[in-house]
Amino acid sequence: ETGVTQTPRHLVMGMTNKKSLKCEQHLGHNAMYWYKQSAKKPLELMFVYNFKEQTENNSVPSRFSPECPNSSHLFLHLHTLQPEDSALYLCASSQNLYEKLFFGSGTQLSVL
Amino acid sequence: GDSVTQMEGPVTLSEEAFLTINCTYTATGYPSLFWYVQYPGEGLQLLLKATKADDKGSNKGFEATYRKETTSFHLEKGSVQVSDSAVYFCALLLRDDKIIFGKGTRLHILP
Repeated sequence: ETGVTQTPRHLVMGMTNKKSLKCEQHLGHNAMYWYKQSAKKPLELMFVYNFKEQTENNSVPSRFSPECPNSSHLFLHLHTLQPEDSALYLCASSQNLYEKLFFGSGTQLSVL
Repeated sequence: GDSVTQMEGPVTLSEEAFLTINCTYTATGYPSLFWYVQYPGEGLQLLLKATKADDKGSNKGFEATYRKETTSFHLEKGSVQVSDSAVYFCALLLRDDKIIFGKGTRLHILP
């Protein structure tokens, strides 16, 4: 148990659906991240929040929309996704930017 | 540009075998180096790290030494167990606070 909880664990959605992924950490960390993990590719950093402010958006398509209402919660809102967006989406947190990352177990997303 | 290269997997070994997973990097400056491990169905966990040249990180019987001259950070363990089966990621943290992960190496340990 890393202290970072992601829900749901699995999600199947059609291309016209709207869904949200949730991440919660009770570690008192200041930075939170969304990563995309696809087979045989390096982990792709999507978004970074530090003290609730977005500090990085790695050219992520607008069909992915992050939200960080407070330093303990991070959401990823999904809208009109494509099949190639199917992947494991990992949330992580750290005390300070890019120091030791604590990862959640991820949400396995399948887009049909 | 900055990058991390890991050996392709999967790596399959018998229990108690010696393990090496190679990792080399390209970076400007002097990054910190990490190994993360991802057990089945879980997120990544930090396994060990080294912050400067010649540092050796160690944890759970795993070791890796920061070699500046060969820009490498190979992961080693003297005697692997079935419970070590996982995906291992090499990563580097650059001075501008960018972290770059390798593609991961899947390890299978046979009883």
